[in-house]
Amino acid sequence: NAGVTQTPKFQVLKTGQSMTLQCAQDMNHEYMSWYRQDPGMGLRLIHYSVGAGITDQGEVPNGYNVSRSTTEDFPLRLLSAAPSQTSVYFCASIGTGGSGEQYFGPGTRLTVT
Amino acid sequence: GESVGLHLPTLSVQEGDNSIINCAYSNSASDYFIWYKQESGKGPQFIIDIRSNMDKRQGQRVTVLLNKTVKHLSLQIAATQPGDSAVYFCAEIGGTSYGKLTFGQGTILTVHP
Repeated sequence: NAGVTQTPKFQVLKTGQSMTLQCAQDMNHEYMSWYRQDPGMGLRLIHYSVGAGITDQGEVPNGYNVSRSTTEDFPLRLLSAAPSQTSVYFCASIGTGGSGEQYFGPGTRLTVT
Repeated sequence: GESVGLHLPTLSVQEGDNSIINCAYSNSASDYFIWYKQESGKGPQFIIDIRSNMDKRQGQRVTVLLNKTVKHLSLQIAATQPGDSAVYFCAEIGGTSYGKLTFGQGTILTVHP
C-alpha cells in the first residue's frame, strides 16, 4: 500500500510549455483533488473528482485541466505554463469510510521561468 | 467567498508545555473540520477531525474543540515535543463535498528544547 504518489518531485518549465503532473492512489478512494500551495499560504483547490469520469472545478482552475479515467489516477495538466503557476502542487485522495481518510501526496515543486 | 482563517500565524512554546492553535471559520454550513500538520517539504498529514454534531474530540496528545456559536475551532497539543514543530492548518468541508477542502492560512508552531 503506497498511499498517494506524485511524480515528478521537481520540475522547471519555460513559459508556454505544457506538462502533466501525475497522481496515483492505491486505496480505492473515490475522491481525489489537486491543490496548490504558494509560499506562506494554505492550500487552494484547483480541481477535484468524486469518481472515475467525474471532475469539477475548484477555487483556482484556470490554466489547468484534469481527467479521471480510472479510480487510481488523477493527472493534472498545465496547458501553457505561466510564472504565476510556480507553486507546490499536492494531490489528495479521500475516503469516506471513516475518520482520517484524507491522504496527501508528497508534492511536486514546479518553477516556471 | 467563505473562508477558514487562523488568529495567530506563529506560536513558540517550550518543550513539555501545552500548545493551543486557533482557527475561525465563516461558513455556518461547515459540518466537518480537520486539522493537518505539515512539516517542511512534505504534504499535509491528518491529525484529527471533528464533525459539527460534536464539541470535543480527543486523540493521542491532541484534542480538538469546536464552538459552533462563535464559529471557532482549536487544536490542543499536550506535552508539546520538538517533533511537533510544523505548520498546522485547519480545513473545512461543507456537506458531503469530501473532495473540496477549504484551508486556513496556517500557524507555525516552534517548540524549543
